[in-house]
Amino acid sequence: TQLLEQSPQFLSIQEGENLTVYCNSSSVFSSLQWYRQEPGEGPVLLVTVVTGGEVKKLKRLTFQFGDARKDSSLHITAAQPGDTGLYLCAGPSSGGSNYKLTFGKGTLLTVNP
Amino acid sequence: DTAVSQTPKYLVTQMGNDKSIKCEQNLGHDTMYWYKQDSKKFLKIMFSYNNKELIINETVPNRFSPKSPDKAHLNLHINSLELGDSAVYFCASSQAGTGGSKQYFGPGTRLTVT
Repeated sequence: TQLLEQSPQFLSIQEGENLTVYCNSSSVFSSLQWYRQEPGEGPVLLVTVVTGGEVKKLKRLTFQFGDARKDSSLHITAAQPGDTGLYLCAGPSSGGSNYKLTFGKGTLLTVNP
Repeated sequence: DTAVSQTPKYLVTQMGNDKSIKCEQNLGHDTMYWYKQDSKKFLKIMFSYNNKELIINETVPNRFSPKSPDKAHLNLHINSLELGDSAVYFCASSQAGTGGSKQYFGPGTRLTVT
């Protein structure tokens, strides 16, 4: 079973600070996805990283896929209260099936005004 | 237009009852899923259907029975509800064969068993 470990589990910061959350595995993934889930809502896909070493930017969010495709990070610059939410990484299961995603347990981010 | 919708949004019921949750997607996707998110926010897949055919069944008790009348709908029926079934249940859909399988989630159904 491929596991995704996310850290930290909880993060509470002040508006304007920078932060990085991590998603690690001992297994190689063909791709990794990052979702954000706001309270009372379902997760929403932010980005998919596919190539080892790939860096993608989404406004103040920077996503990186590790060279060995076993880990990923999400860096937020100048965090805002609207960034508050549960950040989940997910990867397709081994065997090449695109139907099943394994999720990490998430990082719950709170950005205080 | 809502892409993936679920009903009801909240469901409170007693132990031993039988209940159903409905899901519909208007994205034209071939694959639909049921996930369970526990109190610690861990999201775990339960079932997946592709074109009305069950393709993933993740060791879920057989009190849980999914049904897909057509590829736009995936319902979840739960028999003999137990306290441990309390959770938020999410329906999702994706287009089969899409690399990385981007999934679109519904708003969730919060089930509370008392």
